[in-house]
Amino acid sequence: AQSVSQHNHHVILSEAASLELGCNYSYGGTVNLFWYVQYPGQHLQLLLKYFSGDPLVKGIKGFEAEFIKSKFSFNLRKPSVQWSDTAEYFCAVNAIGYSTLTFGKGTMLLVSP
Amino acid sequence: DVKVTQSSRYLVKRTGEKVFLECVQDMDHENMFWYRQDPGLGLRLIYFSYDVKMKEKGDIPEGYSVSREKKERFSLILESASTNQTSMYLCASSFSTGMTPEEGELFFGEGSRLTVL
Repeated sequence: AQSVSQHNHHVILSEAASLELGCNYSYGGTVNLFWYVQYPGQHLQLLLKYFSGDPLVKGIKGFEAEFIKSKFSFNLRKPSVQWSDTAEYFCAVNAIGYSTLTFGKGTMLLVSP
Repeated sequence: DVKVTQSSRYLVKRTGEKVFLECVQDMDHENMFWYRQDPGLGLRLIYFSYDVKMKEKGDIPEGYSVSREKKERFSLILESASTNQTSMYLCASSFSTGMTPEEGELFFGEGSRLTVL
C-alpha cells in the first residue's frame, strides 16, 4: 500500500526565514505527487504537483518542491516565508494501480511577524 | 472555477441520530470522495465513487455509508452517529484517475464540521 510521511507536525518560523517541509512516500513505481495547503478557515487547495519531467516544480505563492526519486522524497521549499503562509500543509501521493490520493498527516506552519 | 459545495458547514447532532452530509460539484467530474480530517491524523478516506451508483470503501468506512444517485451529488450517511464521529468532513471531486496532469487532482469543498453529543 502507498503511504506518505511528513517529517514535522508543527513548524514555527519568523518572517523571511527559509522553509523546507519534508515528505517521503513509500511506493516503488511511478507516482504523482502533490502538496495541498489549508489556510485558516479555508478549504484545501492545490499548491503544486509533479507528474513527470523536471523534478523541480514551481507552485503558487513562491513555493517549489523537488522530487528526488532515489530518496522517495518530495520536499516543499520557500526561500522567504511571510506571515500569510501560516497554514497547514499536506503532502499526497497517487500511484499507478491506486485509484485514490493518500495524504500525509500534515504540517502546521506558524509564521510569526 | 471548479466548485464543490457542501450543504452544511456546521452540524450538531445527538448520539444515535441519522446524519446526512451532502456534496455537489459543478464540473462534471467522474470521481467523488469523502474524507474526514482530524488533528494529527491528516485526511483519511471514508468512501469514494467512480460513477453514478458506484461506491468503493476507503480506509475507514465503518459506521458510514454513501449514496450517489446523480453524477454531481455524493452523500455521506451516518446511520447512527457516535461521539467518535465528531470531526471535519471533506468532500472532493476529480476527473478520472490516471497519470496525466489534468487528472488525479482533487478539488475540495469547504468542509462540514460535525459535533456529536
